Amino acid sequence: SQTIHQWPATLVQPVGSPLSLECTVEGTSNPNLYWYRQAAGRGLQLLFYSVGIGQISSEVPQNLSASRPQDRQFILSSKKLLLSDSGFYLCAWKQGWGTGELFFGEGSRLTVL
Amino acid sequence: AQTVTQSQPEMSVQEAETVTLSCTYDTSESDYYLFWYKQPPSRQMILVIRQEAYKQQNATENRFSVNFQKAAKSFSLKISDSQLGDAAMYFCASFTGNQFYFGTGTSLTVIP
Repeated sequence: SQTIHQWPATLVQPVGSPLSLECTVEGTSNPNLYWYRQAAGRGLQLLFYSVGIGQISSEVPQNLSASRPQDRQFILSSKKLLLSDSGFYLCAWKQGWGTGELFFGEGSRLTVL
Repeated sequence: AQTVTQSQPEMSVQEAETVTLSCTYDTSESDYYLFWYKQPPSRQMILVIRQEAYKQQNATENRFSVNFQKAAKSFSLKISDSQLGDAAMYFCASFTGNQFYFGTGTSLTVIP
């Protein structure tokens, strides 16, 4: 069966520090991968998605970047965090083909102080 | 880009009663799919129900059903016989191409 793991679950970082959130998917190959941010009281904002290794599409120009160094690994990064980067980050995957459902990780709560 | 609108930030329902959550979407695509996701306090998002736009028949999953009105671009979720475990944030979403678009969510409270 397929599983998705996302870490760390909770992160408190000072303004200006770097960020790395990691997501891995097991039990499938060539998935589509997504990073979403969920701000308090708001919906899900698509940040990045990837349909293959090294292929990253950015939806919102901002302080964050994403990379996909391996087929089932998706990393969200920042060189210098801003206060506005605080939020709940969700990684998700779906089969690269078809219109199946989106499977979500457990989420990462980032607080920038 | 597609937009998904959920006009009810909060809803409440008595246990065992029925509640309907509203969702409208805007797309120029002819091929798309619609979903309702549930996010309980544990925060893990899970799929509740999905609807293919080319199907006229409304999807049902046990106590959950949708009212899909394609011409009106409306996709509401009906929860029958509400249970305490139904309390959560519910997100409506559309899918086309490689992207999912989510609404801002409706927080559902179930009153014992």
